[in-house]
Amino acid sequence: LAKTTQPISMDSYEGQEVNITCSHNNIATNDYITWYQQFPSQGPRFIIQGYKTKVTNEVASLFIPADRKSSTLSLPRVSLSDTAVYYCLVAQPYSGGGADGLTFGKGTHLIIQP
Amino acid sequence: GAGVSQSPRYKVAKRGQDVALRCDPISGHVSLFWYQQALGQGPEFLTYFQNEAQLDKSGLPSDRFFAERPEGSVSTLKIQRTQQEDSAVYLCASSLVEGDEQFFGPGTRLTVL
Repeated sequence: LAKTTQPISMDSYEGQEVNITCSHNNIATNDYITWYQQFPSQGPRFIIQGYKTKVTNEVASLFIPADRKSSTLSLPRVSLSDTAVYYCLVAQPYSGGGADGLTFGKGTHLIIQP
Repeated sequence: GAGVSQSPRYKVAKRGQDVALRCDPISGHVSLFWYQQALGQGPEFLTYFQNEAQLDKSGLPSDRFFAERPEGSVSTLKIQRTQQEDSAVYLCASSLVEGDEQFFGPGTRLTVL
């Protein structure tokens, strides 16, 4: 399994753009990069998934360089409600279950201040 | 529509007690997963069902942990003779089919005294 490394915590302010970078040096050819968000007392929630270059949805953008050894989750104009833990996962597309299923690290605790 | 629900949301048990945690997946979802999340850590996989069949239980930490999904819908995670190290949040997730996006419930926070 490809191991991921991301900052333990980050701080920012409302209205700013926040970029969280994840390193995954041993990513396999078939692996996708997926980000989950988790609020206190809730289960994780899928945010975005990508394979290469750039993916954008209504919530975030995901930037993946050509070598795919890292990725950056970009949250535009954050608000207080974006305070959460963000997990970077590397796995087969939407794979689940077993040793090759969803493997979460410790995530990045993002704190947004007024 | 209704998401994944879990009950109870909070459970306090004395060491040595048995507990049962319930998961109601999204209706029609074939795949069901259980995860354990310790304080300050990410969720860790416990076991996986496809309909009523338990296809993977490699993440169950000991034989005190047992999961079932007898009719392919509701699932129960049972922990026998609870220990303090079992204290964690137990998350359930379901997906429409294997390999599809997983939807998580709110979890059950288990505290063993």
